[in-house]
Amino acid sequence: DQQVKQNSPSLSVQEGRISILNCDYTNSMFDYFLWYKKYPAEGPTFLISISSIKDKNEDGRFTVFLNKSAKHLSLHIVPSQPGDSAVYFCAAIHSGTYKYIFGTGTRLKVLA
Amino acid sequence: EAEVAQSPRYKITEKSQAVAFWCDPISGHATLYWYRQILGQGPELLVQFQDESVVDDSQLPKDRFSAERLKGVDSTLKIQPAELGDSAMYLCASSLDPASPYEQYFGPGTRLTVT
Repeated sequence: DQQVKQNSPSLSVQEGRISILNCDYTNSMFDYFLWYKKYPAEGPTFLISISSIKDKNEDGRFTVFLNKSAKHLSLHIVPSQPGDSAVYFCAAIHSGTYKYIFGTGTRLKVLA
Repeated sequence: EAEVAQSPRYKITEKSQAVAFWCDPISGHATLYWYRQILGQGPELLVQFQDESVVDDSQLPKDRFSAERLKGVDSTLKIQPAELGDSAMYLCASSLDPASPYEQYFGPGTRLTVT
């Protein structure tokens, strides 16, 4: 029972272009969402988050969009840089449990 | 910059042996989490501590896994006996307090290979 899904295991984008990573969830009780980035041999690092009361949050080159009716969120990276090449995980939290549910990750490769 | 420390970084063990991992969270972080990440999957919570108390261990295979955080600071995760299916990355994370857990800070992980 995968409550958080990242259906694209990998994505390749040219440097300077937009990267769009997608995440779908099934539990309508989730009220906070986060994106983490993971480099090989390192732990995940927090990237950006969004509360369910918002539909957009922006931080520099990173923007997260939330569509509650579709139970879908996306991470936009503009412009993409080779250093953005990593595995990206979305995570969802139900504030009643404070428990992270992670997606399976999307490996982004930014081509120079 | 404060970091979550984990050791060892890599561990190879034979099945049926015992193995232990150590985690030192960011100073002052009351909440500590152990996750298991199998290749190709996202991290899955094994156990969550609030200070020295376990608040969630519903996904911990208690017949072989144990975790402790005796003084509410560092923590140890043990597997005995290890099985081939335990091969994974074991991640430790910490957060400041349970009312504001949204940003968890992860350590580098311990990659376990069971042969």
